Amino acid sequence: DAGVIQSPRHEVTEMGQEVTLRCKPISGHNSLFWYRQTMMRGLELLIYFNNNVPIDDSGMPEDRFSAKMPNASFSTLKIQPSEPRDSAVYFCASRPVGRSYGYTFGSGTRLTVV
Amino acid sequence: AQRVTQPEKLLSVFKGAPVELKCNYSYSGSPELFWYVQYSRQRLQLLLRHISRESIKGFTADLNKGETSFHLKKPFAQEEDSAMYYCALGNNAGNMLTFGGGTRLMVKP
Repeated sequence: DAGVIQSPRHEVTEMGQEVTLRCKPISGHNSLFWYRQTMMRGLELLIYFNNNVPIDDSGMPEDRFSAKMPNASFSTLKIQPSEPRDSAVYFCASRPVGRSYGYTFGSGTRLTVV
Repeated sequence: AQRVTQPEKLLSVFKGAPVELKCNYSYSGSPELFWYVQYSRQRLQLLLRHISRESIKGFTADLNKGETSFHLKKPFAQEEDSAMYYCALGNNAGNMLTFGGGTRLMVKP
């Protein structure tokens, strides 16, 4: 099992550009989570999906952020337009539904917006 | 609402010294608590959960419902314990984890 796969590992982009982060959850995991990690705010939940349906997106900072899960094996987090304050490490995690201890995290995408 | 507080952003100890990373939570239901560890530039990994009452890498954590705490302890810190530690709280439905702000543990030689 390759685990949760995120791409790219690193992304450097200019302010105003669109950024798309990708995540492939573990096969059979029904829930997927997007987290943002910064020095100042720690680990923040942005959005999570159960069975491809967004359940709680209250953590999404603003309309510039959007997330989709078109099928059980793929999710994207998009920032348009990007801003320097979006610079962070973005983690994706997946787990079977109903098992809060079964989280598996991806390696994260380190985003730098200049 | 559920909330997790880790009051220390940084904890620095010498090798061999005891370690206690503090975690307090706020939750109206029956809590399910976890500690996650993140070594330098790696993914978060589950370290232990309160329901298992286990000791992993010498670490233990006891749930104290009276004090709403779940502090992580180790009697003798090792340099390889240096990492970021996150306390997390699961909700009753088992579908979401809320993380604390994290504590960076530095173990000096």
